[in-house]
Amino acid sequence: EVQLVESGGGLAQPGGSLRLSCEVSGFTFSSYEMNWVRQAPGKGLEWISYISSSGNIMYYADSVRGRFTVSRDNVKNSLYLQMNSLRGADTAVYFCARLLSYDSRHDWGQGVLVTVSS
Amino acid sequence: QSVLTQPSSASGTPGQRVTISCSWTTANIGTNAVSWYQQLPGTAPKLLIYLNDQRPSGVPDRFSGSKSATSASLVISGLQSEDENHYFCAAWDDSLRGWVFGGGTKVTVL
Repeated sequence: EVQLVESGGGLAQPGGSLRLSCEVSGFTFSSYEMNWVRQAPGKGLEWISYISSSGNIMYYADSVRGRFTVSRDNVKNSLYLQMNSLRGADTAVYFCARLLSYDSRHDWGQGVLVTVSS
Repeated sequence: QSVLTQPSSASGTPGQRVTISCSWTTANIGTNAVSWYQQLPGTAPKLLIYLNDQRPSGVPDRFSGSKSATSASLVISGLQSEDENHYFCAAWDDSLRGWVFGGGTKVTVL
C-alpha cells in the first residue's frame, strides 16, 4: 500500500522557518519525481515545488521561489520542504504528492497544517 | 488567477447530468494530459480521471472526462448525493515547469 506521511507543520512567526518532511512507503521512492502542493484556508490547490527522482532538478512556483527549498533523501525514502521567510500568505495545508501525468499514480499525503501568525 | 479556469459552482438534482469545464488560454498545456480530482477541502484529493479520459480502478463509471485543444470537461452522469464535493482539474504546464490547478468547482446536489 502506498503511503505518504507529512510531518513538521505547526505555528511559525512571520519571518520564521519550518521544515516539512514526507516519509514515503509502498513504492520505489528513488524512481519517482515528487511535488509539494498547498491549500490555503477556503482556497484551491496550489502547486509549489517539484523535484526530480534523483534530486538534481527542482522547480518552484513564483510565490515561494527564493524562500522555500525542496530536497529528498532516497535512502530514507523522504521528501523535505525547507520554508524560510514565512509569511501569513503561506498559511495552508501542505501536501506531498507523487503526480505522474502519464498514468494513474497520483498519490497524496494526508496533509500537514502550517500556520504563520504572530 | 488560476491558469486553468473552472466555474466556481455547479448543481443538479439526483440523477441529473452535471458538466464541469476547465479551460485555458495559453499553449502551455498543449497536448499535456488533464487530470480531475475530487476533494473535501483540507484533505487529500482523490483522483477521478487521468490522461484526459481514463478512470482509475474503483472510480464509478458515472464519472467521465474529455479534452479538446483549449478545454477539458468532467461529466457526472446520474448525479448522486455522495457526489456533493469539490472538483479540481490539473495539468503540467510546460512553460511554468510545474503543475497548474483549476480554482475548483463546488458541486451541490439539490
